[in-house]
Amino acid sequence: GQNIDQPTEMTATEGAIVQINCTYQTSGFNGLFWYQQHAGEAPTFLSYNVLDGLEEKGRFSSFLSRSKGYSYLLLKELQMKDSASYLCAASDSNYQLIWGAGTKLIIKP
Amino acid sequence: KAGVTQTPRYLIKTRGQQVTLSCSPISGHRSVSWYQQTPGQGLQFLFEYFSETQRNKGNFPGRFSGRQFSNSRSEMNVSTLELGDSALYLCASSFVLAGGVAYEQYFGPGTRLTVT
Repeated sequence: GQNIDQPTEMTATEGAIVQINCTYQTSGFNGLFWYQQHAGEAPTFLSYNVLDGLEEKGRFSSFLSRSKGYSYLLLKELQMKDSASYLCAASDSNYQLIWGAGTKLIIKP
Repeated sequence: KAGVTQTPRYLIKTRGQQVTLSCSPISGHRSVSWYQQTPGQGLQFLFEYFSETQRNKGNFPGRFSGRQFSNSRSEMNVSTLELGDSALYLCASSFVLAGGVAYEQYFGPGTRLTVT
């Protein structure tokens, strides 16, 4: 079956760095997405990786290893507004997005 | 540009009734996906429409159906409502890349459905 695993909850300190991991098993693979969802709001797109390696976008970076079925989202210089759920989703051979349950990130001052 | 709009925003229905939710995608987006979200359950994929055809379908019963019109607007219908159908229903539209990937989904604000 198809599956996405990511930690349920993580806690980090304002100003620090946090890495949210995601492992996936899909029938075929057409890329890995990360979304951010604040409480009570709809998800918003953060990144898309289809090739191995690191993609950097400001304070956020996303990494992909296709051979290991593994991705991570790296958040630097954490701010209180980064408190949110982070959703990992993989696109399978039919271009269907398989979603993880999300990682709730709590930022403490 | 205008975002994804969903109507209605809130809905209260009784068990056994049916409901139709509407989604207007961002102009130029031909892929529309529907999701159900409940507390602690994350996003549950319902279906995706692309160019008026259902391209993918999640593991929901046949009571959940949808369609897409030639202007890419989409509707979702739930028949014979059950208490467990109470949830936030999100619609997302996206541009489809040349290879077929639905890139960067833009989500609407959702329709909050309560079944009593």
